[in-house]
Amino acid sequence: DQQVKQNSPSLSVQEGRISILNCDYTNSMFDYFLWYKKYPAEGPTFLISISSIKDKNEDGRFTVFLNKSAKHLSLHIVPSQPGDSAVYFCAASSYSGGYQKVTFGTGTKLQVIP
Amino acid sequence: DVKVTQSSRYLVKRTGEKVFLECVQDMDHENMFWYRQDPGLGLRLIYFSYDVKMKEKGDIPEGYSVSREKKERFSLILESASTNQTSMYLCASSLDPGLAGGPTDTQYFGPGTRLTVL
Repeated sequence: DQQVKQNSPSLSVQEGRISILNCDYTNSMFDYFLWYKKYPAEGPTFLISISSIKDKNEDGRFTVFLNKSAKHLSLHIVPSQPGDSAVYFCAASSYSGGYQKVTFGTGTKLQVIP
Repeated sequence: DVKVTQSSRYLVKRTGEKVFLECVQDMDHENMFWYRQDPGLGLRLIYFSYDVKMKEKGDIPEGYSVSREKKERFSLILESASTNQTSMYLCASSLDPGLAGGPTDTQYFGPGTRLTVL
């Protein structure tokens, strides 16, 4: 049962435009959400996060929006740059069995075209 | 900077072999994790450990075991490798949220080990 879903396996965007990556989740107990970025042959690196008590968090060109009623979050990258081309993983965490457990989505491959 | 290192970048083994994947972190993190990444399936948690000698099953523990004898080192063991265990294996570590006083779920990943089982 995939609790965190990224329905778009890939996305292509022109340089300078906005990239919007989407993520849906089913578990209402998730209380913290994160985005990770992964280049080929490297491990994922943390990008940005948001607590469930907020609906927006911004860090430079990256903004994450959370819509709890729709169980949906999105990552906006403005303006998109060729160096942003990577696989982006959405992740959600909750306490389960006394531990903070993180569940990852399937990833979206972003290609920014120069 | 947190550094998580994995013993091998690429590994080729034969069916039935015992395989050890080693992971070391240098930031005194309490939590350590093993994931595998497969196309279309994302990152799936195999095992995690929140303290030395402690381990917990993740979502797909079958066919794997782990060992954490020292805080900085977390080993993944494939007792008898099979072809369906061909994958990218990623190790990660994180700080205990309780000690940091907040939701510090950020995980720091190693570069991964591409394991091929023939």
